[in-house]
Amino acid sequence: NAGVTQTPKFRVLKTGQSMTLLCAQDMNHEYMYWYRQDPGMGLRLIHYSVGEGTTAKGEVPDGYNVSRLKKQNFLLGLESAAPSQTSVYFCASQGTYYGYTFGSGTRLTVV
Amino acid sequence: SQQGEEDPQALSIQEGENATMNCSYKTSINNLQWYRQNSGRGLVHLILIRSNEREKHSGRLRVTLDTSKKSSSLLITASRAADTASYFCATDGGTGFQKLVFGTGTRLLVSP
Repeated sequence: NAGVTQTPKFRVLKTGQSMTLLCAQDMNHEYMYWYRQDPGMGLRLIHYSVGEGTTAKGEVPDGYNVSRLKKQNFLLGLESAAPSQTSVYFCASQGTYYGYTFGSGTRLTVV
Repeated sequence: SQQGEEDPQALSIQEGENATMNCSYKTSINNLQWYRQNSGRGLVHLILIRSNEREKHSGRLRVTLDTSKKSSSLLITASRAADTASYFCATDGGTGFQKLVFGTGTRLLVSP
């Protein structure tokens, strides 16, 4: 089925550990986004990409890095996880028209 | 900072009633979108309204936009239990379709 796939769905990290979240879309969309969702805060943009090989910072980029080596994939990395990064992470993609297509999310807990 | 703020934060109604949610935003926009999020799931796009439109319909959804007041409303008519979800407005801050900024959402509970 066409859409946005996020892996993993759940993860528990210890403070200081690193990990990479993978987002894959099969709709040939140019734009891809990483958001985090925290209670009472809505969704906040971490990083985004307007095409293969490009990335840019969003509202809350500190502590995260991203890469878009292939058009269909957008990776979000945490180099040294902190408890403040406990959140639900959503990836979204967007074509040249219309709204976002979201993945089902990754629930990350940093202890 | 959040571009959109929804009101009320939570809404509880009975099946068959109408549900109205409001969104206020701060800067100029090209379009405003509404999304639904079921518990534990990703957001689903519902409807988009452009800045030069005042009203738009999609099935049981009706969206209005007042750019002079920087506000929008989402009306769900004849609510069903399956409409229970959180609803978010999102604005593009005048950038077009990139970098949507989401509000904090309205939690809607529709009781049978």
